[in-house]
Amino acid sequence: GDSVTQTEGPVTVSESESLIINCTYSATSIAYPNLFWYVRYPGEGLQLLLKVITAGQKGSSRGFEATYNKETTSFHLQKASVQESDSAVYYCALGQPGTGSNRLTFGKGTKFSLIP
Amino acid sequence: EAAVTQSPRNKVAVTGGKVTLSCNQTNNHNNMYWYRQDTGHGLRLIHYSYGAGSTEKGDIPDGYKASRPSQENFSLILELATPSQTSVYFCASGDAWWEETLYFGSGTRLTVL
Repeated sequence: GDSVTQTEGPVTVSESESLIINCTYSATSIAYPNLFWYVRYPGEGLQLLLKVITAGQKGSSRGFEATYNKETTSFHLQKASVQESDSAVYYCALGQPGTGSNRLTFGKGTKFSLIP
Repeated sequence: EAAVTQSPRNKVAVTGGKVTLSCNQTNNHNNMYWYRQDTGHGLRLIHYSYGAGSTEKGDIPDGYKASRPSQENFSLILELATPSQTSVYFCASGDAWWEETLYFGSGTRLTVL
């Protein structure tokens, strides 16, 4: 089946430093899955951070970026300069388009916080 | 703004008891989903629905039933709760578009003693 592997947390960096959370996927059911990053802030449900549905394209939102790399089957999340409000759990996910529902396969989540 | 509301926020149940988790969405989305999340696992799909009257098994349906009586409501039912079902449960809704975005509720923390 499909699977998603992402950086094991927790991840901590200093304010204004860069952040990268790795995500690699295995899609056995479809050649070109949709790829997503969701974020869960404390006390809230998951919300979409960004998505990319075309291989080779880059998605961006709130200063975060991720590029859909079909060759390396990766979708790493990056931000150049983090701040306190970025502290959250980040989930990489893979979706199967064209099936009538976008059943998602999630990674385990990566918890990020600033170094105090 | 899309809105998905789950109730209760927290629930403590006894082994063998019946538990119903409720979810309501005001987005008029066709699709709804129930996931659970446990430490060391990503979100795992339990049941989902394409619309009122429809329920489909997800990846881990054993021990759970689902009910979709209307477009807005989707329930998850544990007929005989077990401690292994202690988890955080998330409901989500989404349009059946090619690049569907899911809108999640805040979660229900269930503890089965």
